[in-house]
Amino acid sequence: QKEVEQNSGPLSVPEGAIASLNCTYSDRGSQSFFWYRQYSGKSPELIMFIYSNGDKEDGRFTAQLNKASQYVSLLIRDSQPSDSATYLCAVRVGVTGGGNKLTFGTGTQLKVEL
Amino acid sequence: DTGVSQDPRHKITKRGQNVTFRCDPISEHNRLYWYRQTLGQGPEFLTYFQNEAQLEKSRLLSDRFSAERPKGSFSTLEIQRTEQGDSAMYLCASSPPTGIETQYFGPGTRLLVL
Repeated sequence: QKEVEQNSGPLSVPEGAIASLNCTYSDRGSQSFFWYRQYSGKSPELIMFIYSNGDKEDGRFTAQLNKASQYVSLLIRDSQPSDSATYLCAVRVGVTGGGNKLTFGTGTQLKVEL
Repeated sequence: DTGVSQDPRHKITKRGQNVTFRCDPISEHNRLYWYRQTLGQGPEFLTYFQNEAQLEKSRLLSDRFSAERPKGSFSTLEIQRTEQGDSAMYLCASSPPTGIETQYFGPGTRLLVL
């Protein structure tokens, strides 16, 4: 079992719709969770992080975390063509003070269609 | 520009040659990370520095790879006797000393070994 699993996609959604991206992780010691966006040929760009169970909203983005189910998701509201990219889920065991490495999933490719 | 910078952005080399990459982190960040990313995969952790100390190194990192951060500022990653399997994007990230220690990535160095 991979440490961090994501559906590779592509996930196609129409412009204006809600895109839902999912991620599961295997290490129950994981404490903090990150979503990065990566355009083709570019480096990952941080979208948001979450470390408490529940929802966290930032503009059109909402991260959801359920530690009991070892599941984290990213919702993108009012999807735009510019949101078309690969979305990487990353997990870290520590929250603060450890500087621990990130373990990434393989990413989900999102395509927002006009 | 206050982001993470990497140099060079692209490197083509012949098998067996040595290559060195440089990373300059965000100025107030004391933690620095190196990752490697191949096509269709998420970034894979290579090594981590806190100030000048190398605190963690991936077991996947062969002896041909070495990284330094001599004064706790910029870092170099050297690959000796390059192999075609070393072809990848090499990503550097940095994080601040406090808070969630979110990692911010540089633009990457794309290596092609012929």
